[in-house]
Amino acid sequence: GDQVEQSPSALSLHEGTGSALRCNFTTTMRAVQWFRKNSRGSLINLFYLASGTKENGRLKSAFDSKERYSTLHIRDAQLEDSGTYFCAASSGSFNKLTFGAGTRLAVCP
Amino acid sequence: AQTIHQWPVAEIKAVGSPLSLGCTIKGKSSPNLYWYWQATGGTLQQLFYSITVGQVESVVQLNLSASRPKDDQFILSTEKLLLSHSGFYLCAWSLTGRSSDYTFGSGTRLLVI
Repeated sequence: GDQVEQSPSALSLHEGTGSALRCNFTTTMRAVQWFRKNSRGSLINLFYLASGTKENGRLKSAFDSKERYSTLHIRDAQLEDSGTYFCAASSGSFNKLTFGAGTRLAVCP
Repeated sequence: AQTIHQWPVAEIKAVGSPLSLGCTIKGKSSPNLYWYWQATGGTLQQLFYSITVGQVESVVQLNLSASRPKDDQFILSTEKLLLSHSGFYLCAWSLTGRSSDYTFGSGTRLLVI
């Protein structure tokens, strides 16, 4: 079935630095979403992409359906960015969103 | 604006007891609705989806059932809980299943003892 491989599983950043999270897909996906888990465990939408790139503040995401990957870039990381980030993608399988395993981000002073 | 509401927020239930989790969506007509589940330390898995009232498709068999009695309501239930049902349950909606973004509710945390 469709699989989403998310990396890294954990990431530690100093304030002010940046890095990228990545999701590789085993099949061609139609769209990707990036979420951040809030303090209650629910998922907050960060980005939805059917193609190309989107930017919102210090976050930027890209999706290449043909090359089967998506990235989430964080720049100038702040303490409040700490948390768990998930990518999820929808494929030709109608009505199914497949999740990556998540990346636990810790931003340190 | 669309809102999605899940209840209860959290539950502690005994093995063998029944369960009913609710989800309502306001401000959107005929949404696609979904139930997701995440075991502690596990990955989010889609359990059910519904395109229309009265129609529910099962994605993963976990001895749970779902129903959509109204356009804006999605119910997850079982008559006998198992220990393995513990976890975090999320309801979500989308406009379509193919290329629409999903919006998730606040979730229900379930502990079966």
